[in-house]
Amino acid sequence: AQSVTQLGSHVSVSEGALVLLRCNYSSSVPPYLFWYVQYPNQGLQLLLKYTSAATLVKGINGFEAEFKKSETSFHLTKPSAHMSDAAEYFCAVSESQQAGTALIFGKGTTLSVSS
Amino acid sequence: DAGVIQSPRHEVTEMGQEVTLRCKPISGHNSLFWYRQTMMRGLELLIYFNNNVPIDDSGMPEDRFSAKMPNASFSTLKIQPSEPRDSAVYFCASSSTGGGDTQYFGPGTRLTVL
Repeated sequence: AQSVTQLGSHVSVSEGALVLLRCNYSSSVPPYLFWYVQYPNQGLQLLLKYTSAATLVKGINGFEAEFKKSETSFHLTKPSAHMSDAAEYFCAVSESQQAGTALIFGKGTTLSVSS
Repeated sequence: DAGVIQSPRHEVTEMGQEVTLRCKPISGHNSLFWYRQTMMRGLELLIYFNNNVPIDDSGMPEDRFSAKMPNASFSTLKIQPSEPRDSAVYFCASSSTGGGDTQYFGPGTRLTVL
């Protein structure tokens, strides 16, 4: 069965510092991988998506993630944190784009940004 | 596009009452998902539909929960009778092909059962 592990339920950085949010997955087949962001009192919004094209995926708001098959990882990074990046971030995996397959979400990582 | 629409945004009810949550997916999307989010359990998939047909309801916690999708533009999640442990934020999401396609989430319904 697929699973997603997000290491660290809470990450704190200073404004301007590097953001690194970790995600490891388990999948028996090449997966599709996603990062979503949730701002307070809002629904989830797609940040970026990996679908077996380039291993380095660029998303919105300056975020990017690198798919590393050997490490079964899909960590999310941003070179310089902004106060507006404070939110909860979810990693998700799917084994297929075919109908009948759902996304499996990690438990989320809350990012705090201090000035 | 208006995005996924959910109503109500907030619902406060008393234990034992029936609660109905509503969702309108993005026009043209043929897959719809219901999730529940709590501090303790995180984001849980309850049920999802492809082309209005329920595909997997294994996440529905018990018989008190039921979901329907009578047409491509409307779905309901019903809890009867409601219990305090059902208090959570319920999200609806839709996608165009199901499976690993991008899911677009609604703003959620915050349910409080007293």
